[in-house]
Amino acid sequence: KAGVTQTPRYLIKTRGQQVTLSCSPISGHRSVSWYQQTPGQGLQFLFEYFSETQRNKGNFPGRFSGRQFSNSRSEMNVSTLELGDSALYLCASSWTYRTSGVDEQFFGPGTRLTVL
Amino acid sequence: QKEVEQNSGPLSVPEGAIASLNCTYSDRGSQSFFWYRQYSGKSPELIMSIYSNGDKEDGRFTAQLNKASQYVSLLIRDSQPSDSATYLCACGLNNNDMRFGAGTRLTVKP
Repeated sequence: KAGVTQTPRYLIKTRGQQVTLSCSPISGHRSVSWYQQTPGQGLQFLFEYFSETQRNKGNFPGRFSGRQFSNSRSEMNVSTLELGDSALYLCASSWTYRTSGVDEQFFGPGTRLTVL
Repeated sequence: QKEVEQNSGPLSVPEGAIASLNCTYSDRGSQSFFWYRQYSGKSPELIMSIYSNGDKEDGRFTAQLNKASQYVSLLIRDSQPSDSATYLCACGLNNNDMRFGAGTRLTVKP
């Protein structure tokens, strides 16, 4: 079974631009979560989508947004990029069978975003 | 207080020894706990999940959970140089909201 895929793997943008990142989950997984990883802040939860609905959102500004399509693929958008947005952006997919708590999440390879 | 705390390390153990990694969490609503391994330049890889108090073993790895003490640990037996990586502890709330610790860097010396 193919793993989580993310495109592009690397991106270089300048301040003020916007960027869209894509994530395809493991086949059959309906939940996609997005995380930002930086050396200073570590891994931080951005948001989670399930059945095209955002169920949860972390403590990030509104410049960070996302969506999920009917095939469970997800995109994340960052508008008006800032230098501090340089990070590894990871998406993770899960089966979602638990009625409470969190299911096992499997990460994609990530998109390395550099903002100049 | 951080939601999930880990000793940042680095932790160094000789090959063949037991590596012990510890994690504490602050939110008593956490119901799901995970250990991920992350090699430099790679994404996190799930090693263990644990949902109930007690021990869970998988090969050379044992996860231990004590909800009363809000404590999770990972033991790696017969440590190998290939186990050298950063180990991330994660606690799940609801709707796949996971909070990660800063990670413990482990070095296994041949």
